[in-house]
Amino acid sequence: QKEVEQDPGPLSVPEGAIVSLNCTYSNSAFQYFMWYRQYSRKGPELLMYTYSSGNKEDGRFTAQVDKSSKYISLFIRDSQPSDSATYLCAIAEAGTALIFGKGTTLSVSS
Amino acid sequence: GAVVSQHPSWVICKSGTSVKIECRSLDFQATTMFWYRQFPKQSLMLMATSNEGSKATYEQGVEKDKFLINHASLTLSTLTVTSAHPEDSSFYICSAREAVNYGYTFGSGTRLTVV
Repeated sequence: QKEVEQDPGPLSVPEGAIVSLNCTYSNSAFQYFMWYRQYSRKGPELLMYTYSSGNKEDGRFTAQVDKSSKYISLFIRDSQPSDSATYLCAIAEAGTALIFGKGTTLSVSS
Repeated sequence: GAVVSQHPSWVICKSGTSVKIECRSLDFQATTMFWYRQFPKQSLMLMATSNEGSKATYEQGVEKDKFLINHASLTLSTLTVTSAHPEDSSFYICSAREAVNYGYTFGSGTRLTVV
């Protein structure tokens, strides 16, 4: 079993929809949970960063971590065409490199 | 915020030549640098981890003699792809980690095409 699993999609939604992106992981030692957004031919940019469990909200984005289920989520409210990108979850133990999911490609149509 | 400058952003080279990619942390000390490779429509795969002043630790399957990593200072790490082949064509991305804030900052990536 891979350490981080993410449905690659693609996911297509109309503008204004709520988007839910998810990852599951297998190592209970993971403590750092990130979501990155990557546009084509660009490097990934950090969207959300959560340490341990809980929710974090930033504007239209909400990140959730459920350590008991080893499940993390990213919600995008009122999605916009500019949100069209690949979203990657990334997870790490303390002091280690990030392990990335495969990425979910999102397309928001106007 | 923390910024990592990666150069060049794209490079085309002939088979058999070597290419050097630089990553610089502009406003913080990067005690650890991670180098990733990303093939089209795939995720980022860790190639190696380097700590300032130490030899890099390579992931399984990554040839250390082909992908030379130098992390001689707290603000600069380089990846040299030696004797490049077309199958080395990929998107290479560095990531720097601060010791204090434990943040990960990514460079903008280098698209390497070997012809």
